[in-house]
Amino acid sequence: GQSLEQPSEVTAVEGAIVQINCTYQTSGFYGLSWYQQHDGGAPTFLSYNGLDGLEETGRFSSFLSRSDSYGYLLLQELQMKDSASYFCAYNTDKLIFGTGTRLQVFP
Amino acid sequence: DGGITQSPKYLFRKEGQNVTLSCEQNLNHDAMYWYRQDPGQGLRLIYYSQIVNDFQKGDIAEGYSVSREKKESFPLTVTSAQKNPTAFYLCASSRDRGMSNQPQHFGDGTRLSIL
Repeated sequence: GQSLEQPSEVTAVEGAIVQINCTYQTSGFYGLSWYQQHDGGAPTFLSYNGLDGLEETGRFSSFLSRSDSYGYLLLQELQMKDSASYFCAYNTDKLIFGTGTRLQVFP
Repeated sequence: DGGITQSPKYLFRKEGQNVTLSCEQNLNHDAMYWYRQDPGQGLRLIYYSQIVNDFQKGDIAEGYSVSREKKESFPLTVTSAQKNPTAFYLCASSRDRGMSNQPQHFGDGTRLSIL
């Protein structure tokens, strides 16, 4: 089967660092993507890992380990506007999305 | 500016009625997708199309139908056979047919409710 698991909710304070984990079960995929979705809005692409290792894009970084079937999204210097849901997804001929993690950032 | 336009933003369906959700993109993307999102849930794939005049079922295609007569357009019909249609519907597109590292671009969604 194909599935991705994420924690349902994470809380943190402004300026902190938070890591959102994603574990998956799949027989094969091109890479792991991360999307952000604010309440009532459209998902927006954040990051993609085609190879194992860390990809850094500004305050956001994403990591993939295929041998561990595991990835994470790291958000640094948290801001209130980062409060949103975050989805991991793996790329095959389509995207299979995880269940999502709701991040709440407090002042 | 290029993007994806979904309409209407809100839609109400009566019992036994078919309704069609519009999705148009001017990004010149080959691939287009329809997702359903229920409250507090992830995105589930309904249908996708990688080229004009061709489409494939996703994980939850029952009760839905699509067409891809033009590259720019990928309308979704929610038929009366879909007994629980209330959800947030998202349309997306990506540049290439093969899903390598191409990000998907999403429209703003249509909220469908039952009257």
